[in-house]
Formats: sequence, structure tokens, C-alpha cells
Amino acid sequence: GQQVMQIPQYQHVQEGEDFTTYCNSSTTLSNIQWYKQRPGGHPVFLIQLVKSGEVKKQKRLTFQFGEAKKNSSLHITATQTTDVGTYFCAGAGGTSYGKLTFGQGTILTVHP
Amino acid sequence: NAGVMQNPRHLVRRRGQEARLRCSPMKGHSHVYWYRQLPEEGLKFMVYLQKENIIDESGMPKERFSAEFPKEGPSILRIQQVVRGDSAAYFCASSITAPGLNTEAFFGQGTRLTVV
Repeated sequence: GQQVMQIPQYQHVQEGEDFTTYCNSSTTLSNIQWYKQRPGGHPVFLIQLVKSGEVKKQKRLTFQFGEAKKNSSLHITATQTTDVGTYFCAGAGGTSYGKLTFGQGTILTVHP
Repeated sequence: NAGVMQNPRHLVRRRGQEARLRCSPMKGHSHVYWYRQLPEEGLKFMVYLQKENIIDESGMPKERFSAEFPKEGPSILRIQQVVRGDSAAYFCASSITAPGLNTEAFFGQGTRLTVV
């Protein structure tokens, strides 16, 4: 079945440093979504990428979708303490139409 | 427009009891998904349902677990004869159409199940 791998599992940064998490799918995706989960909270949708090579920005966050639509990345510039949480990518489509397959997530800790 | 509502938020069950988790999707959403999450782990897909139909239950354990999404009322995830290993957070999500059709999923706040 479809697998979505995400690295790194943990990332500790000093406030102001940049952060990147990477996501790879075993199959070609129709779209990839990114979610953020605060400690003790629930996943909240951040963004969706659909087109090959697509790049989207939300303030300090930059999301990319690979040309082959099998990998994606999330980059945060100049992290802040409010960025702490777990960032998940989730792939849809391919052989698993109709369900979102989540990566394991990257737990981001930001030290002030 | 209320979000995805899950109840209860916290549920404690003794081994061998039944756990019933409820999820009311957002208004207008007919697609419901259940995920399980262990502490500091990812979201593991369990089941995908549309009204009155199970579309994909490939992530659901074959025994003791069942899910339904009736024509009227919330979606129910039922775990019979719970064991300690069932302790986890169970999240429900809903969407207007299937995710493969480029639509986001909205998550409920989850039910934290503790089996003692």
C-alpha cells in the first residue's frame, strides 16, 4: 500500500533558526497536504499542493511539491516559539484514492 | 458552522468493556475518516466512510473494531472488549469530497481513550 515517509522525526532549533521537514511518498500523489498539531491538540490544515513543482508561501512558511509529485517539503524561516508542534504531511490519491496517508510527523521544538 | 465534533473528549474503560466514540462531521460533509494516534507518533489511518457505506477499512483491526456512519446521526467507532493496547487518541476528520479530489480534511479534537 501507499507509504508516506517523513524526516526528521525530531528537530530542536534555537529561536530564529530555520527549519525544514521532508516528505516522500512511495507512489505518485494527486495532492499533498500539510497539517500542524500543537501539543495536546488536533491536526489543523495548513495548505494543499496539487501541481507538479508547485511552491506556496504563508508568511514564514514555504511549501514545495516535487516535480514527480512524490515528495514535498515545508520550510520555516526564522522560527518562533509559536511554531512548536508536530508537522505532518499527508498524501492523497495514487493507489489510495479517497484516503489521506499521513507521514510520521516532525516534532519541532523551539528554544527561546 | 460548527467544526467536527467528537465526544467524549476523554474516555476511561476497564479491560473487556466496550468503547463507543462518536463523531459529528462538519455540516455538509459526507466523508468521514478515523485515525489513531499513539503519543509522539503519527496518525494511523483506520477507516474511511461515506453515508451508510464503508469505503476503505484497510487500517482497521480485523477483530473487535467496527465503524459506521448511518444516514442519520454521527459516525461511531466501536471497540469491543478493549485491551490496554487500545489506549490512544482517536481522531475523526471530515471533508466535503474525497481527499483525492483535492479537498482538505477538518479534524475533531479527538477522544483520548484510556484502558485501565
